[in-house]
Amino acid sequence: KAGVTQTPRYLIKTRGQQVTLSCSPISGHRSVSWYQQTPGQGLQFLFEYFSETQRNKGNFPGRFSGRQFSNSRSEMNVSTLELGDSALYLCASSLFLRATGDTGELFFGEGSRLTVL
Amino acid sequence: QQQVKQSPQSLIVQKGGISIINCAYENTAFDYFPWYQQFPGKGPALLIAIRPDVSEKKEGRFTISFNKSAKQFSLHIMDSQPGDSATYFCAASTGNQFYFGTGTSLTVIP
Repeated sequence: KAGVTQTPRYLIKTRGQQVTLSCSPISGHRSVSWYQQTPGQGLQFLFEYFSETQRNKGNFPGRFSGRQFSNSRSEMNVSTLELGDSALYLCASSLFLRATGDTGELFFGEGSRLTVL
Repeated sequence: QQQVKQSPQSLIVQKGGISIINCAYENTAFDYFPWYQQFPGKGPALLIAIRPDVSEKKEGRFTISFNKSAKQFSLHIMDSQPGDSATYFCAASTGNQFYFGTGTSLTVIP
């Protein structure tokens, strides 16, 4: 069974540009979450999608946006890039929206490493 | 505001020793506490998890100790091996929103 696939794995952008990152979840998984990982900050939650609807959103500015398609694939977009946006962006999929009693294990991709110059 | 506080930031342990990583939380609505392990160049992977209705869970050399009244939980790695060298993240969740600690970089010296 294929894991979570993220593309591109590495990219370099300059300030002011925008970037789109892609995530293909594990087959059958309908929930996709995005996290920003930076040294010292750990994993910061960006947003979560389920059945093409954003269910939760973290505390990030509106420059960060995302969407989910009918096949559960997801994209996130960052506009007007800033130096501080340099990070590893991780996508995680899970089988369903976690209800009480379910484990809701997150399966992470290897991430897209963004460098903003 | 960090919902889950993790310590230490880094840890060096001799092979065969015990590695201990601690986490604390405030939100009593959290009902699931996983630990994730991340190797360089890889995404985090679930290592072990616990629910607040039990005080301890053991899987092989890995044990979670959970103290509900203190709102603290910890990961113990017994007989630590060089292959355990990785970054460890604790997390807490309610619903589908997960809050992660800042991570602990563990180095096990042969």
